[in-house]
Amino acid sequence: DAGVIQSPRHEVTEMGQEVTLRCKPISGHNSLFWYRQTMMRGLELLIYFNNNVPIDDSGMPEDRFSAKMPNASFSTLKIQPSEPRDSAVYFCASTPTAWETQYFGPGTRLLVL
Amino acid sequence: DAKTTQPNSMESNEEEPVHLPCNHSTISGTDYIHWYRQLPSQGPEYVIHGLTSNVNNRMASLAIAEDRKSSTLILHRATLRDAAVYYCILSPSGGSNYKLTFGKGTLLTVNP
Repeated sequence: DAGVIQSPRHEVTEMGQEVTLRCKPISGHNSLFWYRQTMMRGLELLIYFNNNVPIDDSGMPEDRFSAKMPNASFSTLKIQPSEPRDSAVYFCASTPTAWETQYFGPGTRLLVL
Repeated sequence: DAKTTQPNSMESNEEEPVHLPCNHSTISGTDYIHWYRQLPSQGPEYVIHGLTSNVNNRMASLAIAEDRKSSTLILHRATLRDAAVYYCILSPSGGSNYKLTFGKGTLLTVNP
């Protein structure tokens, strides 16, 4: 079975550029999460969607970050404009319902120069 | 939210059992105890979870203290592939039960 798919796996960009990260959750999963992992702050929840609707975006660091889930099989996390401090590994996770086991994707390693 | 405390690192030898401790003295009565692990350069992976009773699955066992203030993840025979960061997480009760707050975890090193 295909797990959570993320693309790209690696992204290198320059400060000020727009970055779009993509996630395809496991088919049939109704909840989707975006996390960010850095050495300093560890793994943090950015936003949680349930049935394509954002439920909790309290972890989104600032207005430069936005996330969408236009349908059950696709979500994007956009950073515009990007800054060096956004460099991190971004993970997407999905789960059948919010309280069940979360299945994580392989992550996107973002480097903003 | 209730917090967990884990040792920063532990070391084990291959094919020996490993006991990874976790303290959660402020756990509430309905908080579930979850364990995830993260292998190098991969996303976190579910290991096991429980509420009050000890739990077993193909990956590990979870021993929960009677007062629920601590728990232990048991890997019965460590392999090199078990080298990872292990996270002990409490999921809050109620509407925020989706929130998994990852701490620093325990870095497990397995020696051949």
